[in-house]
Amino acid sequence: GAVVSQHPSWVICKSGTSVKIECRSLDFQATTMFWYRQFPKQSLMLMATSNEGSKATYEQGVEKDKFLINHASLTLSTLTVTSAHPEDSSFYICSARSGTSYEQYFGPGTRLTVT
Amino acid sequence: GQNIDQPTEMTATEGAIVQINCTYQTSGFNGLFWYQQHAGEAPTFLSYNVLDGLEEKGRFSSFLSRSKGYSYLLLKELQMKDSASYLCANADSGYALNFGKGTSLLVTP
Repeated sequence: GAVVSQHPSWVICKSGTSVKIECRSLDFQATTMFWYRQFPKQSLMLMATSNEGSKATYEQGVEKDKFLINHASLTLSTLTVTSAHPEDSSFYICSARSGTSYEQYFGPGTRLTVT
Repeated sequence: GQNIDQPTEMTATEGAIVQINCTYQTSGFNGLFWYQQHAGEAPTFLSYNVLDGLEEKGRFSSFLSRSKGYSYLLLKELQMKDSASYLCANADSGYALNFGKGTSLLVTP
């Protein structure tokens, strides 16, 4: 089956610094990638939709200048959390789909802790 | 998701059958997904319904009624490893998923 990787799997950073999370589709071309966030004991919330070669579409309430998304190739999307604060601590999960399938494949997630 | 409702918790016995219900309201519907998620892990795909009716896949079945905005996930022959959170999600036209809060299922011996 299709495989999506994320790197890093976990990261601890200090308040005010920036963190980049990578999402890669390993064996298929992902025309669309999605970024979700999950706080403890809550459901996944869509942050943004990213189509290769175009600007990401952010959900209401998600600051596009704080969460920078780049989808420069069909196999890689990055999420950069800029000027991170403790309230940004969360589980960030990406998913990817090709244009031919309804199914999207989730990465293993990145746990971000901001101290 | 604010427009998806599913029970918060359920408990069932090993070997039994359990049905997890999900109701949704949406203006743009592109299918109903069910995912399983173990704590600290990413969701894994269980099923997808876009037309009314029952989809069966091994011990797992999923049902959809678009007119009622209703779906359920049926788990048969429950095993201890089935203890997990089960997420109902509807897809928009671009297949972005709107997740419910999830149903935490506990399977007891």
